[in-house]
Amino acid sequence: GENVEQHPSTLSVQEGDSAVIKCTYSDSASNYFPWYKQELGKRPQLIIDIRSNVGEKKDQRIAVTLNKTAKHFSLHITETQPEDSAVYFCAASIGSSASKIIFGSGTRLSIRP
Amino acid sequence: DADVTQTPRNRITKTGKRIMLECSQTKGHDRMYWYRQDPGLGLRLIYYSFDVKDINKGEISDGYSVSRQAQAKFSLSLESAIPNQTALYFCATMKPGLAGVDEQFFGPGTRLTVL
Repeated sequence: GENVEQHPSTLSVQEGDSAVIKCTYSDSASNYFPWYKQELGKRPQLIIDIRSNVGEKKDQRIAVTLNKTAKHFSLHITETQPEDSAVYFCAASIGSSASKIIFGSGTRLSIRP
Repeated sequence: DADVTQTPRNRITKTGKRIMLECSQTKGHDRMYWYRQDPGLGLRLIYYSFDVKDINKGEISDGYSVSRQAQAKFSLSLESAIPNQTALYFCATMKPGLAGVDEQFFGPGTRLTVL
C-alpha cells in the first residue's frame, strides 16, 4: 500500500546549526506535502507545506524541497533555536483525489545549547 | 476562536469494554479524520469522512468504527477494546481549498489506556 518513510527517527544538533529531515513517498499521484511540528504534550501543527507544482518553498528559517522524479522531499531548518526542539512529521496526500493524508513515522529533533 | 475539541482527554478502560471517543469542531470544515499515534509509528489514519454520508476506511480500521452525526461531530468507537489499542488518538479537520487538499487542524488528543 501507499506509505511515507521518514529519516532519521532522532536528530540532535548544536544550537545555531542546520537540521535536515528527509522523506520518501510511494504514490506517484501525491500532490500535497505538509510538515507538522508536535511539541511535547501538544497537538501537531502545520509549519510549512509544498505542492507538486513547486520545487522549493521557504518561510524564514524553514524550507522544504521536493523532487517528484525521485519521490522525496526534505525539511531544512537553519540557525536552529531551542524552541525548534519537537517531533516533526512529514506527510503526503494519497491518490489523484488527494482524499487521504498519510504521515511519516516522525523525527525527534533535539537542539543542544 | 474556531477549534477542534475531543472528549474525553484521558480514558482508562478494561479489555472487552466498548468505548467511544468524540470529536467536535466549530471550524465549519467538511472533512474529518481520526488518527492514532504510537511511539515510533507516527500518525496512522483510522477513518475519514468528507460529509455525513461519506465514511472511508484508513490504514488501520480493523477493530474500530465511526459515526458522523453531523458536519461538526465525528465519533470513534472501539466495540471491544484490547490492550494494543492503547494509544494517543487525534481527530483532525480539513477545509479543502481550490487545490483539493489543504492544512489539517488537529484536536488536543485523547490518551486511551486499555488494561
